[in-house]
Amino acid sequence: RKEVEQDPGPFNVPEGATVAFNCTYSNSASQSFFWYRQDCRKEPKLLMSVYSSGNEDGRFTAQLNRASQYISLLIRDSKLSDSATYLCVVFLYNQGGKLIFGQGTELSVKP
Amino acid sequence: GAVVSQHPSRVICKSGTSVKIECRSLDFQATTMFWYRQFPKQSLMLMATSNEGSKATYEQGVEKDKFLINHASLTLSTLTVTSAHPEDSSFYICSAHTEGQGGYGYTFGSGTRLTVV
Repeated sequence: RKEVEQDPGPFNVPEGATVAFNCTYSNSASQSFFWYRQDCRKEPKLLMSVYSSGNEDGRFTAQLNRASQYISLLIRDSKLSDSATYLCVVFLYNQGGKLIFGQGTELSVKP
Repeated sequence: GAVVSQHPSRVICKSGTSVKIECRSLDFQATTMFWYRQFPKQSLMLMATSNEGSKATYEQGVEKDKFLINHASLTLSTLTVTSAHPEDSSFYICSAHTEGQGGYGYTFGSGTRLTVV
């Protein structure tokens, strides 16, 4: 089983749509959680951290359920510029402090 | 903010040759550098972790004699792919861990696309 698993995608949605990405992680010792965005052939960029209380940044909302080991990302009012691959990432402190990446979910927003 | 400069961005080399990839931290000291590899449609896979002045720690399944990592200074880490083969063709990316950036600060280089022919 992969340490971090995501929806396979790709997600093809029209502009203005709401889209949700899911992610599960297997290591209960995971301490911190993030969503990264990666554009084609580019480095990943931090989109937002994910907290148990949930957090929102503009059109983006992230949720964490530690009991279920589940993370989600909701994008409202999708823009063409949101087209990218979204990576679910967990931080493991007890393994020397490292980030474990999911394989990513590709989002394509169409006009 | 913190910047990691990675070079080259793209390299094509012949099978059997070696390729060196450099990552430099600009305006900050990178005490720890992580090296990842990403194949198409796959996740970033951690290859090794290096700390300045000490030997790198390699992940299981990564050949340390093939992927040589040097972190001789707080601003420079290098990855050398020795005797490259076509199956080594991939996207290699470094990430510097910096303390004092508020939580777990990670800054990524822009990546190197290696093609071995």
